Parts: sequence; C-alpha cells; structure tokens
Amino acid sequence: EAGVVQSPRYKIIEKKQPVAFWCNPISGHNTLYWYRQNLGQGPELLIRYENEEAVDDSQLPKDRFSAERLKGVDSTLKIQPAELGDSAVYLCASSSYGWTSGRASTDTQYFGPGTRLTVL
Amino acid sequence: QKEVEQNSGPLSVPEGAIASLNCTYSDRVSQSFFWYRQYSGKSPELIMSIYSNGDKEDGRFTAQLNKASQYVSLLIRDSQPSDSATYLCAVNWGYNFNKFYFGSGTKLNVKP
Repeated sequence: EAGVVQSPRYKIIEKKQPVAFWCNPISGHNTLYWYRQNLGQGPELLIRYENEEAVDDSQLPKDRFSAERLKGVDSTLKIQPAELGDSAVYLCASSSYGWTSGRASTDTQYFGPGTRLTVL
Repeated sequence: QKEVEQNSGPLSVPEGAIASLNCTYSDRVSQSFFWYRQYSGKSPELIMSIYSNGDKEDGRFTAQLNKASQYVSLLIRDSQPSDSATYLCAVNWGYNFNKFYFGSGTKLNVKP
C-alpha cells in the first residue's frame, strides 16, 4: 500500500513569493492533516479535513495561508506571500475514522515525507 | 498550559541499556496515545499506540499508560545506536477524537 505522498520535497523561495505544497493521502483515508514543524518542536496542526470539509483551521494564518481538498482526496496548501518566519517543514498526514458500538474512533495517522521550505 | 509535555532531553544511554521516555498530558477525556520516532530530517513514523491502562509490548518497545496519573511512557530495551532519534508523544481526546496533540519530543542518544 502506498503511503502519503507529498511534493515537492524541498523548496527555496524569496520572501513575498507564493508557494504551494501538494499531498495525496493513503487511499481510503477520510481525514487529512497539514502540520508545520519548526526545528526542535513537535508538529503543529494547521488544518484538518474530514473528507472535503475543513473541520479545524483555527491555527491556519488565514491572511496568507489557504488550503483546499477538492473531491476529498488530494490537497494543496498555499502560502502567499511567504515570510521569513514561514521557513519550516510542512507535513501532511492522513487517517481514517469510523464508528464502533456507537462511538467514534480514529485509526492512527500516517505522515508523508514532508516539504522543507526555506524562505530567503 | 500545553496539552502534552515532554522533556526535550537529550537523554543519553549506553548501548544495551533501557531507555525510558516520559510524556504527561492535561486533564481531558483522553482516548488514544501514540509514540512516534523521528530521525533527523525525516518525518515522524509510528512506533506504538496504546488505548488502555497498563503495558503494551512490541518487540523491544513497551508503552505504559497510567490515566489516573496522566502519563504515558515508552521503554526501549537493549537500546541500539539506531534508536537515536527524537521521540514524539501524541494524544487525542475523546471529545475530539480526530485531532492529535503532539509534545515537542525527547531527543534520545544511544552511545556505542
């Protein structure tokens, strides 16, 4: 089974330029996550999709970040314009959830290889 | 207050020793707990998941969960230099089962 696919793996841009990241989750996973990870820190959630609906985007800097997940499969995260502080690793992850005995539960999430963004 | 707390380390152990990594979490309706390993420059990879109080063993790894004390730990027996990495603890809550909170990770160094 193929894992979570992300592209590009590395991106170097100058500040104020736009940048976009792409993610294709594991087949059948209905939940997709975008995280940002700074050096020495754990992943920080930016946005979470359940199918094509963004159900949690409270940490997404909406003035410059946008995301979409058309048709509930692959997703794109965009930054426009990029700032120096956006340099980080952007991780995509996916998981599936279901209902057991009337209770929602989620399978674990699996991460893609990430995109390392450097803003100069 | 952070949701999930970990000692950043580094934790240094000699090869063959037991490495003990700890994680505490805030008082919520916790549901599931996960340990991820992250090598430098790589993405997190799942090592263990645990849902119930007690121990869960998988090879050289044992996860321990104590919900009353709000901590989860990971023991690595017979530590190898290849175990040197950052270990991330992640938790999701019963009321928001599909959202994962990560600690900042503990860096483990296993010395030959």
